[in-house]
Amino acid sequence: NAGVTQTPKFQVLKTGQSMTLQCAQDMNHEYMSWYRQDPGMGLRLIHYSVGAGITDQGEVPNGYNVSRSTTEDFPLRLLSAAPSQTSVYFCASSLTDNEKLFFGSGTQLSVL
Amino acid sequence: DQQVKQNSPSLSVQEGRISILNCDYTNSMFDYFLWYKKYPAEGPTFLISISSIKDKNEDGRFTVFLNKSAKHLSLHIVPSQPGDSAVYFCAASGNQFYFGTGTSLTVIP
Repeated sequence: NAGVTQTPKFQVLKTGQSMTLQCAQDMNHEYMSWYRQDPGMGLRLIHYSVGAGITDQGEVPNGYNVSRSTTEDFPLRLLSAAPSQTSVYFCASSLTDNEKLFFGSGTQLSVL
Repeated sequence: DQQVKQNSPSLSVQEGRISILNCDYTNSMFDYFLWYKKYPAEGPTFLISISSIKDKNEDGRFTVFLNKSAKHLSLHIVPSQPGDSAVYFCAASGNQFYFGTGTSLTVIP
């Protein structure tokens, strides 16, 4: 039972580079979301999706893009990486938008 | 503006004693509250939840209490075990989930 799978686990980028963080779930969850965790800030919502083809912004969406072409996948794109995007990123999914979240193991991103 | 607050960054408890982790929230519209546990280099895992229509929910050694008038919830772990050492996040659900900043619990053998 894979649950929520995130890749890569670690990534180092240079300022201005772009990359995509991958997230896939095999639980047929409609709701998927991306969070970032920073020291002293808790988990903050970046973007979320309530189903295939539907995405919306969370609390801290600037500098990130998402798309949801299938129920299973919800990639997070950094268009032009900045040092302020150095963080640990978690993907999460749930059956609906008001049910408990299942989290991936995280991606530690450093932007130099 | 933090809608969910955990004012204690850390807590140390002796094995076998009770651990009490606290959480405060500001939005009275929140209707669902959760606790997550996080080990280093892993994602948060769901621990226990409570609906706003209840004031207590138990699951084994874990009990969550909700005081709506005070906008306060707490997680009690009895008895505490060394394997409980982790960071605990509380979360509240309105139109999205809002997380606290976490409390690092250390259970001393």
